[in-house]
Amino acid sequence: GNSVTQMEGPVTLSEEAFLTINCTYTATGYPSLFWYVQYPGEGLQLLLKATKADDKGSNKGFEATYRKETTSFHLEKGSVQVSDSAVYFCALSDGSSNTGKLIFGQGTTLQVKP
Amino acid sequence: DAMVIQNPRYQVTQFGKPVTLSCSQTLNHNVMYWYQQKSSQAPKLLFHYYDKDFNNEADTPDNFQSRRPNTSFCFLDIRSPGLGDAAMYLCATSRGAAYQETQYFGPGTRLLVL
Repeated sequence: GNSVTQMEGPVTLSEEAFLTINCTYTATGYPSLFWYVQYPGEGLQLLLKATKADDKGSNKGFEATYRKETTSFHLEKGSVQVSDSAVYFCALSDGSSNTGKLIFGQGTTLQVKP
Repeated sequence: DAMVIQNPRYQVTQFGKPVTLSCSQTLNHNVMYWYQQKSSQAPKLLFHYYDKDFNNEADTPDNFQSRRPNTSFCFLDIRSPGLGDAAMYLCATSRGAAYQETQYFGPGTRLLVL
């Protein structure tokens, strides 16, 4: 079945450090891939997405590239801020189900210290 | 601003006492989803509506029901809440159910069962 695996957290960084959160997936067909962010006590916000191989999604300094050959969608940011502290979810949507259903990874908590 | 609204943000109920959570949207989207997110876990899809068509996930307990009286509103009914149903409940919408579609989430309702 379809699944998403993220690196375990928490990830603790100092402000301005480089961030990578690994995400790999298993899916039939050609899924779309998403990164959502969840701030404490809030719902999920779309951070970025990519709908086909080699697409790069980007937003607010975050980037992720859809790598079909390695089935990966790693999230990166060159210089993190304290305000980036949140839980990050990688997710896929598999077109074979025709429901738009999102399959989420387990989430990675990012803590950025001043 | 167009958005997804959930009420209430916090709900306390008693064991076995029916409870209803509400979601509304101003995006005029066709699809509305309900996810359950337990502490430190990924959101898990319970069911969704595509217009008036209801689609239940195979492993969603019978205790959970949903209603969508019109395009804007969708309700989650828990007929007899158990302690294990304490969670954050997230409503999301999307324009369509194609795999490329972005889902837009509300802030969530945190349910506490006493």
